[in-house]
Amino acid sequence: QVQLVESGGGVVQPGRSLRLSCAASGFTFSNYGIHWVRQAPGKGLEWMALISFDGSNQYYADSVKGRFTISRDNSNNTLFLQMNNLRPDDTAVYYCAREFRGSHAPNSCDFWGSGTMVTVSS
Amino acid sequence: QSALTQPHSVSGSPGQSVTISCTGTSSDIGGYHFVSWYRQCPGKTPQLIIYDVVKRPSGVPDRFSGSKSGNTASLSISGLQSDDEADFYCSSYSGSDTFGVLFGGGTKLTVL
Repeated sequence: QVQLVESGGGVVQPGRSLRLSCAASGFTFSNYGIHWVRQAPGKGLEWMALISFDGSNQYYADSVKGRFTISRDNSNNTLFLQMNNLRPDDTAVYYCAREFRGSHAPNSCDFWGSGTMVTVSS
Repeated sequence: QSALTQPHSVSGSPGQSVTISCTGTSSDIGGYHFVSWYRQCPGKTPQLIIYDVVKRPSGVPDRFSGSKSGNTASLSISGLQSDDEADFYCSSYSGSDTFGVLFGGGTKLTVL
């Protein structure tokens, strides 16, 4: 069955860096675009980034452009999010989510990981 | 990239119908047929329930339906059940200047 498992979250000081991973299984990872979406405690969903199936295209929300980098390793079925210069308002659960291929829309995700918590605090 | 606008909460009694609105602009909802809706039960991950404005993924009951008029999309839920209580989020592609994906702020559905 399709599984996405995030890891790498934790408590980090403002201005520091963190690298999240998302391990995929149960499907052909290299055929799918993958998103990062975050959810601050008690708040709504916020899209962060999308990487195309082959890694050739990356897209970012304005709030993280220049600070976060999405990448993937198709040989190891793993997605990454490098987060630099972290701020307190980056505190959230970070989900990876698979693009739904039944749609032409880039904003439909059919499988989500359970998330990894990132807390930015001094 | 501004978030889409949803009502903070809606409510209805079992068996009734409710509609949740999602308002954007001509650069997102109004400009594309790319609206999705997600349901998020407490402590759970989001579940895709509507895509391409009106389509339902396999396994989603036809009690859930989507529509769009101008810059506003809507999710309708008929025959409310107690376990429909959840947070609902709309999402749209935004292609104004650069590629973007927008979410609404979420709507809490309470079944009275």
